[in-house]
Amino acid sequence: GAVVSQHPSRVICKSGTSVKIECRSLDFQATTMFWYRQFPKQSLMLMATSNEGSKATYEQGVEKDKFLINHASLTLSTLTVTSAHPEDSSFYICSATGQGDSPLHFGNGTRLTVT
Amino acid sequence: AQSVTQPDIHITVSEGASLELRCNYSYGATPYLFWYVQSPGQGLQLLLKYFSGDTLVQGIKGFEAEFKRSQSSFNLRKPSVHWSDAAEYFCAVEGGGSSNTGKLIFGQGTTLQVKP
Repeated sequence: GAVVSQHPSRVICKSGTSVKIECRSLDFQATTMFWYRQFPKQSLMLMATSNEGSKATYEQGVEKDKFLINHASLTLSTLTVTSAHPEDSSFYICSATGQGDSPLHFGNGTRLTVT
Repeated sequence: AQSVTQPDIHITVSEGASLELRCNYSYGATPYLFWYVQSPGQGLQLLLKYFSGDTLVQGIKGFEAEFKRSQSSFNLRKPSVHWSDAAEYFCAVEGGGSSNTGKLIFGQGTTLQVKP
């Protein structure tokens, strides 16, 4: 079946550096992708909605300049955490769906640790 | 605004016992409702979903859920729990003002612990 691949699964970076997380749809065209953030023992909070070829729509309170989202193709969306700080350490999960009544598929998440 | 509440943060049941995880939602129209399971450090796996029709929905791994509009609830049930069911469970509603947008609003999650 359809699969969403998220890479890397774990990343450790130093404060002040940037890190890129990729979300790929492997066998379907993902017209829309979503990025969520999950703190330990908490729920998933939607960060932004990304439509292929257009700017992402960010949820209230999410810094656009800090969490850069690019959805340049129908199979790839990237989330770049810029100038990372320890408080950005979290579990980031993407999901993707195609057109019409296409089902929603989740990636396996990326554990980001900022030291 | 749409919202989802899972009243139970943590539930412990004995293996073989029945299970019910509660979920209440707030949504202006007929909602699309989902239950997902998450193992530690993993992504989400869809257990079942309700869009319309029969209010009792069957899912994978022996789970079912019943949509009760009068109670704004979508509780998840399983007749006999297995040790492998220990995980985090999330109820979600489709938001965004239109159907099947893929934009989900999640409840706080319920941690299920299974005793041998």
